[in-house]
Amino acid sequence: ETGVTQTPRHLVMGMTNKKSLKCEQHLGHNAMYWYKQSAKKPLELMFVYNFKEQTENNSVPSRFSPECPNSSHLFLHLHTLQPEDSALYLCASSTMGQPQHFGDGTRLSIL
Amino acid sequence: SQQGEEDPQALSIQEGENATMNCSYKTSINNLQWYRQNSGRGLVHLILIRSNEREKHSGRLRVTLDTSKKSSSLLITASRAADTASYFCATDEDSGTYKYIFGTGTRLKVLA
Repeated sequence: ETGVTQTPRHLVMGMTNKKSLKCEQHLGHNAMYWYKQSAKKPLELMFVYNFKEQTENNSVPSRFSPECPNSSHLFLHLHTLQPEDSALYLCASSTMGQPQHFGDGTRLSIL
Repeated sequence: SQQGEEDPQALSIQEGENATMNCSYKTSINNLQWYRQNSGRGLVHLILIRSNEREKHSGRLRVTLDTSKKSSSLLITASRAADTASYFCATDEDSGTYKYIFGTGTRLKVLA
């Protein structure tokens, strides 16, 4: 139990669907992250939020839309995804200079 | 190339042996962290070493940091089958930000 909960754990969707990934932490951290993990590639940082403000957008395509309504919740809204977007999407939280706590991820498959 | 690059990419050892994996990075850092990932799970933090530290221990883990060579190593002593996982290093790319850069990881397999 890391204190970071991601739902759903698995998601299969068509290229024209719209879905959302959810991440929740109650560790008192002020920063939250989305990462994409594909096979044989480094973990790719997608977005960083600090106190609900987006501080990093790592050139992510607009078909991925993050939302951070408060410091405890983070969403990733998905629409019109491509097959190459199939991956494990990991959420993490932290405070400045401290280790990140990761959720177990959402395994996303695009048909 | 990536800020953190682990070497080797894969490592297979017998239970009881020591496992060493290395990480190289390119820019100045405030700290370097090592994480473990079991198959199908998220990453779990193992140890953090700050730029002014040279060595750190945690149980069977020993981490070294050489800022002049921009490299770090993770040693797992007396390995167990349960240590089978992927291991990643992560560096904070920019001072004062929350941005961490991960490498591709080392896949460790410990044979019973």
